[in-house]
Amino acid sequence: QVQLQQSGAELVKPGTSVKLSCKASGYTFTSNHMNWIKQTTGQGLEWIGIINPGSGGTSYNVKFKGKATLTVDKSSSTAFMQLSSLTPEDSAVYYCARLEYTTDRALFDYWGQGVMVTVSS
Amino acid sequence: QITLTQQAESLWVSPGEKVSITCRASQSLLYTDGKHYLSWYQQRPGQTTKALIYHASIRTDGVPTRFIGSGSGTEFTLSIEDVQPEDIALYYCLQTLKKPYTFGAGTKLELK
Repeated sequence: QVQLQQSGAELVKPGTSVKLSCKASGYTFTSNHMNWIKQTTGQGLEWIGIINPGSGGTSYNVKFKGKATLTVDKSSSTAFMQLSSLTPEDSAVYYCARLEYTTDRALFDYWGQGVMVTVSS
Repeated sequence: QITLTQQAESLWVSPGEKVSITCRASQSLLYTDGKHYLSWYQQRPGQTTKALIYHASIRTDGVPTRFIGSGSGTEFTLSIEDVQPEDIALYYCLQTLKKPYTFGAGTKLELK
């Protein structure tokens, strides 16, 4: 069965960076693009960007350009998101979610469990 | 970018009742293939986010038939008939017609 297993909670200091991981299993990793989503109480769900694991090609929400960098490691079927120059406004739960986008279906069909990032000195 | 508005922040319901959650888009979500690029998701505490509906009205595998998606153009509804206690959750709509993909603000379903 398809699973997306995200790394554990992070407590990081302002100004630093953090790299989150999302390990995929149960399907061919390069067959589906991977999204990253931010969730906060105040802003709800925000789409950060998407990566094509096959080519490494990315597309970002302009709001997160320069903040988030998406990469993959095909050998371990893992997607990564690095968040840089962290501020308290980056404190949130971050999800990875697989995109199913075919002629018949368009949805985020599987989600990771989410990882809480807390930015605090 | 396309804005999705879920006007109700919270809805209160009793088990067995029917409830409807609305999602309004700032532009039509109808693509030239005749499909609407609008999907619905359920978030329950301690569980992974679950996809319920895609293309506005098609249930994903295993989703109970009491979940009904409807609507077209810019107005969409997720209806839950005969609400069960396990349906108490947060519900979000999402558009995947144009990037940046955008979500509604969410509607929390609560028990009366």
